[in-house]
Amino acid sequence: SAVISQKPSRDICQRGTSLTIQCQVDSQVTMMFWYRQQPGQSLTLIATANQGSEATYESGFVIDKFPISRPNLTFSTLTVSNMSPEDSSIYLCSVEPDRARTDTQYFGPGTRLTVL
Amino acid sequence: GENVEQHPSTLSVQEGDSAVIKCTYSDSASNYFPWYKQELGKGPQLIIDIRSNVGEKKDQRIAVTLNKTAKHFSLHITETQPEDSAVYFCAASTYSARQLTFGSGTQLTVLP
Repeated sequence: SAVISQKPSRDICQRGTSLTIQCQVDSQVTMMFWYRQQPGQSLTLIATANQGSEATYESGFVIDKFPISRPNLTFSTLTVSNMSPEDSSIYLCSVEPDRARTDTQYFGPGTRLTVL
Repeated sequence: GENVEQHPSTLSVQEGDSAVIKCTYSDSASNYFPWYKQELGKGPQLIIDIRSNVGEKKDQRIAVTLNKTAKHFSLHITETQPEDSAVYFCAASTYSARQLTFGSGTQLTVLP
């Protein structure tokens, strides 16, 4: 497995502002992903963070709203831009740490975002 | 794309009893099926997984069964304890898509 940390753990933000969430892994990993979990709901994949290239976004998510960076194999950021109350969610990063592809993902603790 | 349905949405059991959560998937190409436990205020924790070349897998009090023909898989927890209380998510993925599709979750409550 891998040890994953996220910053901040929670935040309360005003509408119209932006928040950048950091995800740090204790070892180099092949794949990193960002998910959204709306209150009381399941997990929805936002995008795959690709090292050295643009992220791959899922249907319904766009780069202007959720810009992602992945400068190296242990770190990624997700920015939630121009926030509205509908963006209030838990944002989770996950990693697939195994060099040999296994599709096994491990999750960070999440960032709990409230937009007023 | 893949669609995963999970039942029941809530489940209450007495301590010491067994709990079973069921999921069905739509894409016959799916070949990896993990289960996650999410406690309040925490991220999902992988508790067990199974691949399509195996019909059953056990890890102490937890087991997962897979029926590829019927396209469903189940989580079995025996001798439940209060600390098993959490939300459980099933998921499925295909080799080509390389992404997890999650079920809607089951809130398990173990009553002392």
